[in-house]
Amino acid sequence: SQTIHQWPATLVQPVGSPLSLECTVEGTSNPNLYWYRQAAGRGLQLLFYSVGIGQISSEVPQNLSASRPQDRQFILSSKKLLLSDSGFYLCAWSGRGGAVPQHFGDGTRLSIL
Amino acid sequence: AQTVTQSQPEMSVQEAETVTLSCTYDTSESDYYLFWYKQPPSRQMILVIRQEAYKQQNATENRFSVNFQKAAKSFSLKISDSQLGDAAMYFCAYRTYNTDKLIFGTGTRLQVFP
Repeated sequence: SQTIHQWPATLVQPVGSPLSLECTVEGTSNPNLYWYRQAAGRGLQLLFYSVGIGQISSEVPQNLSASRPQDRQFILSSKKLLLSDSGFYLCAWSGRGGAVPQHFGDGTRLSIL
Repeated sequence: AQTVTQSQPEMSVQEAETVTLSCTYDTSESDYYLFWYKQPPSRQMILVIRQEAYKQQNATENRFSVNFQKAAKSFSLKISDSQLGDAAMYFCAYRTYNTDKLIFGTGTRLQVFP
Protein backbone atom coordinates (compact mmCIF):
# COMPACT_ATOMS: atom_id res chain seq x y z
CA SER A 1 0.00 0.00 0.00
CA GLN A 2 1.04 3.58 -0.50
CA THR A 3 2.31 5.72 2.35
CA ILE A 4 3.47 9.29 2.63
CA HIS A 5 6.02 10.50 5.12
CA GLN A 6 6.55 14.12 6.05
CA TRP A 7 9.03 15.53 8.53
CA PRO A 8 9.67 17.12 10.86
CA ALA A 9 6.30 17.21 12.63
CA THR A 10 7.12 20.43 14.44
CA LEU A 11 9.72 23.08 13.75
CA VAL A 12 10.58 26.35 15.45
CA GLN A 13 12.89 28.61 13.50
CA PRO A 14 14.17 32.18 13.90
CA VAL A 15 13.38 34.83 11.34
CA GLY A 16 15.98 34.83 8.58
CA SER A 17 16.98 31.20 8.99
CA PRO A 18 16.76 28.65 6.17
CA LEU A 19 14.09 25.97 5.87
CA SER A 20 13.93 22.47 4.49
CA LEU A 21 10.85 20.27 4.83
CA GLU A 22 10.91 16.86 3.26
CA CYS A 23 8.20 14.57 1.97
CA THR A 24 8.56 11.08 0.56
CA VAL A 25 6.04 8.67 -0.89
CA GLU A 26 6.29 4.89 -0.88
CA GLY A 27 4.41 2.22 -2.77
CA THR A 28 3.72 4.13 -5.97
CA SER A 29 5.65 5.55 -8.88
CA ASN A 30 5.41 8.82 -10.80
CA PRO A 31 2.94 10.43 -8.41
CA ASN A 32 1.78 14.00 -8.54
CA LEU A 33 3.14 15.79 -5.48
CA TYR A 34 1.81 18.88 -3.72
CA TRP A 35 2.76 21.31 -0.96
CA TYR A 36 -0.01 23.17 0.86
CA ARG A 37 -0.01 25.76 3.61
CA GLN A 38 -2.83 26.07 6.11
CA ALA A 39 -2.99 29.26 8.16
CA ALA A 40 -4.74 29.06 11.53
CA GLY A 41 -8.48 28.54 11.08
CA ARG A 42 -8.23 28.69 7.31
CA GLY A 43 -8.44 26.35 4.37
CA LEU A 44 -5.56 24.91 2.42
CA GLN A 45 -3.62 27.02 -0.03
CA LEU A 46 -1.73 25.18 -2.76
CA LEU A 47 1.86 26.37 -2.87
CA PHE A 48 3.56 24.03 -5.34
CA TYR A 49 2.77 20.95 -7.32
CA SER A 50 4.90 18.63 -9.38
CA VAL A 51 4.05 16.12 -12.10
CA GLY A 52 7.58 14.72 -12.42
CA ILE A 53 11.24 14.98 -11.45
CA GLY A 54 12.44 18.54 -11.77
CA GLN A 55 8.99 19.79 -12.82
CA ILE A 56 7.65 22.32 -10.33
CA SER A 57 4.72 24.67 -10.70
CA SER A 58 4.34 27.56 -8.30
CA GLU A 59 0.87 28.69 -7.46
CA VAL A 60 1.57 31.83 -5.46
CA PRO A 61 4.57 34.14 -5.35
CA GLN A 62 6.28 33.80 -2.02
CA ASN A 63 9.43 33.34 -0.05
CA LEU A 64 9.43 29.59 -0.58
CA SER A 65 10.65 27.20 -3.26
CA ALA A 66 10.18 23.51 -3.97
CA SER A 67 12.26 20.83 -5.58
CA ARG A 68 11.74 17.25 -6.66
CA PRO A 69 15.15 15.60 -6.90
CA GLN A 70 13.74 12.08 -7.06
CA ASP A 71 10.46 10.63 -8.27
CA ARG A 72 8.99 10.22 -4.81
CA GLN A 73 10.73 13.01 -2.94
CA PHE A 74 9.43 16.55 -2.62
CA ILE A 75 11.23 19.26 -0.69
CA LEU A 76 9.99 22.66 0.46
CA SER A 77 12.71 25.22 1.10
CA SER A 78 13.42 28.79 1.98
CA LYS A 79 16.70 30.69 2.15
CA LYS A 80 15.44 33.21 4.71
CA LEU A 81 12.25 32.67 6.65
CA LEU A 82 9.78 35.47 7.34
CA LEU A 83 7.32 35.75 10.21
CA SER A 84 4.52 35.32 7.67
CA ASP A 85 5.84 31.85 6.78
CA SER A 86 4.45 30.47 10.02
CA GLY A 87 1.73 27.90 9.52
CA PHE A 88 0.88 24.28 9.02
CA TYR A 89 2.42 22.72 5.92
CA LEU A 90 0.99 19.64 4.31
CA CYS A 91 2.46 17.45 1.62
CA ALA A 92 0.16 15.33 -0.55
CA TRP A 93 0.37 12.90 -3.42
CA SER A 94 -2.11 11.65 -5.98
CA GLY A 95 -2.31 9.40 -8.96
CA ARG A 96 -3.31 10.82 -12.29
CA GLY A 97 -6.67 11.29 -13.91
CA GLY A 98 -10.20 10.37 -12.90
CA ALA A 99 -11.59 10.97 -9.47
CA VAL A 100 -8.30 10.12 -7.80
CA PRO A 101 -8.07 11.76 -4.40
CA GLN A 102 -5.06 13.40 -2.88
CA HIS A 103 -3.50 11.65 0.09
CA PHE A 104 -1.96 13.82 2.75
CA GLY A 105 0.97 13.52 5.09
CA ASP A 106 0.69 14.32 8.79
CA GLY A 107 1.87 17.89 8.31
CA THR A 108 4.56 20.12 9.77
CA ARG A 109 3.75 22.91 12.19
CA LEU A 110 6.21 25.70 11.51
CA SER A 111 6.60 28.53 14.00
CA ILE A 112 8.81 31.49 13.20
CA LEU A 113 10.16 33.50 16.11
CA ALA B 1 -11.45 30.96 -11.78
CA GLN B 2 -13.12 28.30 -9.74
CA THR B 3 -14.06 29.00 -6.15
CA VAL B 4 -15.44 26.90 -3.32
CA THR B 5 -17.60 28.40 -0.57
CA GLN B 6 -18.46 26.89 2.77
CA SER B 7 -20.84 29.32 4.42
CA GLN B 8 -21.00 27.60 7.81
CA PRO B 9 -17.85 28.27 9.85
CA GLU B 10 -19.18 26.11 12.70
CA MET B 11 -21.87 23.51 13.14
CA SER B 12 -22.89 21.33 16.06
CA VAL B 13 -24.86 18.14 16.35
CA GLN B 14 -25.89 15.78 19.08
CA GLU B 15 -24.58 12.25 19.05
CA ALA B 16 -26.74 9.90 16.94
CA GLU B 17 -28.39 12.81 15.14
CA THR B 18 -27.96 13.88 11.53
CA VAL B 19 -26.16 17.00 10.33
CA THR B 20 -25.71 18.54 6.90
CA LEU B 21 -22.71 20.66 5.91
CA SER B 22 -23.10 23.02 2.97
CA CYS B 23 -20.77 23.65 0.07
CA THR B 24 -21.25 25.65 -3.09
CA TYR B 25 -18.81 26.19 -5.91
CA ASP B 26 -18.46 28.34 -8.95
CA THR B 27 -17.25 26.96 -12.24
CA SER B 28 -17.91 27.19 -15.95
CA GLU B 29 -16.73 23.63 -16.53
CA SER B 30 -19.09 20.73 -17.08
CA ASP B 31 -16.71 17.93 -16.04
CA TYR B 32 -15.11 18.03 -12.62
CA TYR B 33 -14.78 16.21 -9.33
CA LEU B 34 -15.85 17.12 -5.82
CA PHE B 35 -14.48 15.87 -2.53
CA TRP B 36 -15.09 16.17 1.18
CA TYR B 37 -12.10 15.90 3.47
CA LYS B 38 -12.07 15.64 7.25
CA GLN B 39 -9.34 17.14 9.43
CA PRO B 40 -9.52 15.97 13.05
CA PRO B 41 -7.50 17.65 15.81
CA SER B 42 -4.53 15.50 14.79
CA ARG B 43 -4.50 17.72 11.65
CA GLN B 44 -4.24 14.81 9.20
CA MET B 45 -6.47 15.31 6.14
CA ILE B 46 -8.67 12.29 5.52
CA LEU B 47 -10.80 11.72 2.44
CA VAL B 48 -14.45 11.25 3.39
CA ILE B 49 -16.26 10.99 0.07
CA ARG B 50 -15.91 11.89 -3.60
CA GLN B 51 -18.32 12.64 -6.46
CA GLU B 52 -17.85 12.74 -10.21
CA ALA B 53 -19.89 15.55 -11.76
CA TYR B 54 -21.04 13.36 -14.64
CA LYS B 55 -22.70 10.93 -12.25
CA GLN B 56 -26.24 11.82 -11.29
CA GLN B 57 -26.31 9.36 -8.41
CA ASN B 58 -25.22 10.83 -5.09
CA ALA B 59 -22.17 9.20 -3.55
CA THR B 60 -22.51 7.33 -0.26
CA GLU B 61 -19.89 5.98 2.13
CA ASN B 62 -21.41 4.30 5.18
CA ARG B 63 -22.86 7.10 7.35
CA PHE B 64 -21.70 9.80 4.94
CA SER B 65 -23.65 10.84 1.87
CA VAL B 66 -23.77 13.83 -0.41
CA ASN B 67 -26.52 15.82 -2.04
CA PHE B 68 -25.05 16.86 -5.37
CA GLN B 69 -27.08 19.46 -7.22
CA LYS B 70 -25.13 20.22 -10.39
CA ALA B 71 -27.40 22.96 -11.71
CA ALA B 72 -27.29 24.76 -8.38
CA LYS B 73 -23.54 24.05 -8.00
CA SER B 74 -24.16 22.66 -4.57
CA PHE B 75 -22.44 19.72 -2.86
CA SER B 76 -23.60 19.19 0.71
CA LEU B 77 -22.40 16.46 3.06
CA LYS B 78 -24.83 14.60 5.28
CA ILE B 79 -23.55 12.75 8.31
CA SER B 80 -26.04 10.30 9.77
CA ASP B 81 -25.91 8.80 13.25
CA SER B 82 -23.22 11.28 14.27
CA GLN B 83 -20.45 9.97 16.49
CA LEU B 84 -18.05 11.76 18.81
CA GLY B 85 -15.24 10.82 16.44
CA ASP B 86 -16.87 12.82 13.67
CA ALA B 87 -15.84 16.05 15.40
CA ALA B 88 -13.40 17.74 13.04
CA MET B 89 -12.94 20.41 10.42
CA TYR B 90 -14.60 19.44 7.16
CA PHE B 91 -13.34 20.81 3.88
CA CYS B 92 -15.10 20.74 0.56
CA ALA B 93 -12.79 20.61 -2.46
CA TYR B 94 -13.16 20.94 -6.21
CA ARG B 95 -10.96 19.60 -9.01
CA THR B 96 -11.31 20.28 -12.70
CA TYR B 97 -11.41 17.38 -15.11
CA ASN B 98 -8.10 18.10 -16.80
CA THR B 99 -5.92 19.07 -13.85
CA ASP B 100 -4.99 17.38 -10.60
CA LYS B 101 -5.11 20.53 -8.46
CA LEU B 102 -7.62 20.82 -5.66
CA ILE B 103 -9.37 24.04 -4.70
CA PHE B 104 -10.48 23.99 -1.08
CA GLY B 105 -13.20 25.83 0.79
CA THR B 106 -12.42 27.50 4.10
CA GLY B 107 -13.89 24.65 6.13
CA THR B 108 -16.66 23.98 8.63
CA ARG B 109 -15.84 23.03 12.20
CA LEU B 110 -18.20 20.32 13.39
CA GLN B 111 -18.75 19.75 17.08
CA VAL B 112 -20.49 16.62 18.31
CA PHE B 113 -22.13 16.68 21.72
CA PRO B 114 -22.92 13.55 23.76
